[in-house]
Amino acid sequence: GAGVSQSPRYKVAKRGQDVALRCDPISGHVSLFWYQQALGQGPEFLTYFQNEAQLDKSGLPSDRFFAERPEGSVSTLKIQRTQQEDSAVYLCASSFRGGTVSGNTIYFGEGSWLTVV
Amino acid sequence: AQSVTQLGSHVSVSEGALVLLRCNYSSSVPPYLFWYVQYPNQGLQLLLKYTSAATLVKGINGFEAEFKKSETSFHLTKPSAHMSDAAEYFCAVRSGNTPLVFGKGTRLSVIA
Repeated sequence: GAGVSQSPRYKVAKRGQDVALRCDPISGHVSLFWYQQALGQGPEFLTYFQNEAQLDKSGLPSDRFFAERPEGSVSTLKIQRTQQEDSAVYLCASSFRGGTVSGNTIYFGEGSWLTVV
Repeated sequence: AQSVTQLGSHVSVSEGALVLLRCNYSSSVPPYLFWYVQYPNQGLQLLLKYTSAATLVKGINGFEAEFKKSETSFHLTKPSAHMSDAAEYFCAVRSGNTPLVFGKGTRLSVIA
């Protein structure tokens, strides 16, 4: 596609509910990133994939968060038993090359806005 | 560990005035530096990036930034602010095989 596409754009979940957020990266992009942006804050890194391999998941805040990219394209971020503190915008991003080329431009989607009530 | 400090969570300028958004970084290895802009309810859009070529980097929408190693700074400037520049601006740093690390952002308001 022309850009990084995320769905749903907006999600309201009841506390304790599981949610799944989808990311379609730019076609052909090797690297895929998930970030969490709380209200009034900068994005915080969650996890990184190179093709289907999850190379870094150091930013996932708890074992309730799980991400996958089984075929090296579309990725899903799953949050189990959502809590109010999970309310944030979840940004997906992709870049053409692998992570060792630090100067690569990383393209962001518009985000999935999650509100846990 | 890398980090970014953006001085001033909110900057207000008059239309036509100089825009200066400050960013200082910390990195143990030569960094790559980025400025992103975020309009309300939208994702992040890359304004410009420094990747160890020219220290003065020109970006989109008339913005530019200068990498100053001695000051560990990468301030963003624009000679003349437009109303359409009102947005949130994020400075970010990356080096080696590490993820992109963002500052907390600076909200720019432009007054008519």
